[in-house]
Amino acid sequence: GAGVSQSPSNKVTEKGKDVELRCDPISGHTALYWYRQSLGQGLEFLIYFQGNSAPDKSGLPSDRFSAERTGGSVSTLTIQRTQQEDSAVYLCASSSRGGFESSYNEQFFGPGTRLTVL
Amino acid sequence: DAKTTQPTSMDCAEGRAANLPCNHSTISGNEYVYWYRQIHSQGPQYIIHGLKNNETNEMASLIITEDRKSSTLILPHATLRDTAVYYCIVSLRGQGAQKLVFGQGTRLTINP
Repeated sequence: GAGVSQSPSNKVTEKGKDVELRCDPISGHTALYWYRQSLGQGLEFLIYFQGNSAPDKSGLPSDRFSAERTGGSVSTLTIQRTQQEDSAVYLCASSSRGGFESSYNEQFFGPGTRLTVL
Repeated sequence: DAKTTQPTSMDCAEGRAANLPCNHSTISGNEYVYWYRQIHSQGPQYIIHGLKNNETNEMASLIITEDRKSSTLILPHATLRDTAVYYCIVSLRGQGAQKLVFGQGTRLTINP
C-alpha cells in the first residue's frame, strides 16, 4: 500500500539489549517523525527529520535513543541498553508540504511497533 | 505541555451527532486547531483543521468560536467505527515540520 509502514510490528527483548525499529514513510514525504505511546499514556514526540535540515531531537528521553534517516527515506530508531520503561508503542509518521491545501501538520501515521522489554 | 483541555470521556448514541469540545484559551493568532483520532491499536489519523472559520470535510465539521479560545468537533452521524480517542491540538502551520503535542484526548464511545 501507499501508507507508512513500520517493522517489526512487535518486538520482545531482554533488558540491556539493543533494538532497531524501522519506518518506511510515504514516498515523497520530506518530513518524518517518531513518537511513542506508553501504556495508558498519550503520544510523546521523540524526533523529526525534515529534508536535509538537522533533525529536531528535543524529545529523545536519553542518549540511549538515536535515530537516522538514510537517503531521505527510510528511518531507523535505535534504543541501546533497553530498560523496562522503554516498553511502549513506537509510532512513525510522515508528512510533506504538498500543495497549497496541505501542510506538514497533516501527518500520516504508521501502525506502530509494540516494544516489550522484559 | 499540551495547550488544550478536553473532557476525558464522552458517550454518544449511534446515528446521533457527536460533539467534542476543546478549550485552547492560550492559542496564539497564527496557531491552527487540529483534530486527530486514534482507534484502538492503530496510529492516529488526521481529521480536520482550522484557523478561525468553520470547516467541513467528509469526516467531520469543526466549529471555532469567534475568540478562538475553544472549538467543537462534530461527527454528524456517529457510527460504531467512530469509537476512538480524539485529540485536539494547536500548532503552527506552513512553517515546516512541526512536532505535534498530544494531550490525553477524549475517549469517545459510540453506543448501539
